[in-house]
Amino acid sequence: EVQLLESGGGLVQPGGSQRLSCATSGFTFSNYAMSWVRQAPGKGLEWVSGITGSGGSTYYAGSVKGRFTISRDGSKSTLFLQMNRLRAEDTAVYYCARDLVASFGVVVNDYWGQGTLVSVSS
Amino acid sequence: DIQMTQSPSSLSASVGDRVTITCRTSQSISTYLNWYQQKPGKAPRLLIYATSSLQSGAPSRFSGSGSGTDFTLSISSLQPEDFASYYCQQTFNTPYTFGQGTRLEI
Repeated sequence: EVQLLESGGGLVQPGGSQRLSCATSGFTFSNYAMSWVRQAPGKGLEWVSGITGSGGSTYYAGSVKGRFTISRDGSKSTLFLQMNRLRAEDTAVYYCARDLVASFGVVVNDYWGQGTLVSVSS
Repeated sequence: DIQMTQSPSSLSASVGDRVTITCRTSQSISTYLNWYQQKPGKAPRLLIYATSSLQSGAPSRFSGSGSGTDFTLSISSLQPEDFASYYCQQTFNTPYTFGQGTRLEI
């Protein structure tokens, strides 16, 4: 059974840092790209960042580029999101999701974690 | 970045109704369009991928169509469990962007 479990959320001051983790199981971690998606309270979904299965390529939304860093540890089957210079507008539930290349080469997020809440406030 | 315009933002309907949600993209994305359902306090769930392919386990009353820049999600006969929020997502280019969402209410 595929499982993704996020951790590391909490209250952080503006300008501070936080590191999120996503522990995975039930699939061969290195075979899949992974993504982080966030959702501000009462708002819609926002794709934040992605990383290839090898970790060799990373991608970011413009709103977090230069402040957030995605990485992965294959030996622990764990995905990370290092968030620096946090702002109030980064307050959200952060989900990790598995990327699957489905039919016709279309990437989908087929499995999601339960999310972890990051609150940025003084 | 590819911009997504999803409409309507909210929709009131009744059990048994047929409803349609639309998603328009700022540039052509072929059929690289997915639809997700999200219920309050839960993670999103994949419903439709590659515009019109039904995800395993998703009910057949859900269907998708379109290509290029205009896409639709249809629910043929609303069931009580379908009242939720729905999001389109393009995975043609990074950043993979989502529509603003449609809240489907009774």
